[in-house]
Amino acid sequence: GAGVSQSPSNKVTEKGKDVELRCDPISGHTALYWYRQSLGQGLEFLIYFQGNSAPDKSGLPSDRFSAERTGGSVSTLTIQRTQQEDSAVYLCASSPHIDTGELFFGEGSRLTVL
Amino acid sequence: GQNIDQPTEMTATEGAIVQINCTYQTSGFNGLFWYQQHAGEAPTFLSYNVLDGLEEKGRFSSFLSRSKGYSYLLLKELQMKDSASYLCARGTLEYGNKLVFGAGTILRVKS
Repeated sequence: GAGVSQSPSNKVTEKGKDVELRCDPISGHTALYWYRQSLGQGLEFLIYFQGNSAPDKSGLPSDRFSAERTGGSVSTLTIQRTQQEDSAVYLCASSPHIDTGELFFGEGSRLTVL
Repeated sequence: GQNIDQPTEMTATEGAIVQINCTYQTSGFNGLFWYQQHAGEAPTFLSYNVLDGLEEKGRFSSFLSRSKGYSYLLLKELQMKDSASYLCARGTLEYGNKLVFGAGTILRVKS
C-alpha cells in the first residue's frame, strides 16, 4: 500500500488476555518504530527495528510486551496478560533509513482493556 | 515527554499568525522535528531543524536555537484546517536516532 497500515484499528479486550497488533510499513522502508500514545500524553517510544533486528528494546514497559519483524517488512507487537494501563493508541511508523527523523506514521491501533 | 516542554493549548483567529514554542533538553541532541496530528489521525511530518536559524516552508516556519534548547513553529495566515495538535520532537544521538516527543500543543483556530 501507499502508506503504513495497522490492524486492528480498534481492539477491546478483557484484562488478562493477550493481544497482537500488526504493522505493514511502506515498502522498502528499512526502519520501523512502535510508539504508544495515551490520552493527553506525548508519544512514548517502545521499540525500533533496523531490518529484522531490534537494537533498542529499552522502551518496552515490561516483559509482557514483545515485538518482532519478519522479512524486513511486517511487524507484530504482542502484549501478554493485558492490564488496564495498557489502554492507549499504539502507533507504528516507518522510515527509509534510521538516520532520518522523518517518520511516516500509521493511523494506529486503539487498544481498550476492560 | 522527556524534558520537552510545550504549551498544552493555544487558541488563535483565522488569518492570524501563531507561534508555538518548545524547549528541550540539550544533551544528546540530534535535530528538532515538528509533527502535526489531527484528531484521530496519524502524525505527519512538518519540519526539521538541525542548525540554528529559521527554516521556511510555505505558511509554516520553524526556528531553532541549539544553545538555548529552544525551537518554535510559526504558522501564518491561519486556516480552520490548521486546528490540530502540534508535536515537538527531539532527535537523539542514540543508534536509530530515536525521536523523543513532547506532549503536543492543541491549537484551536476560531473564525
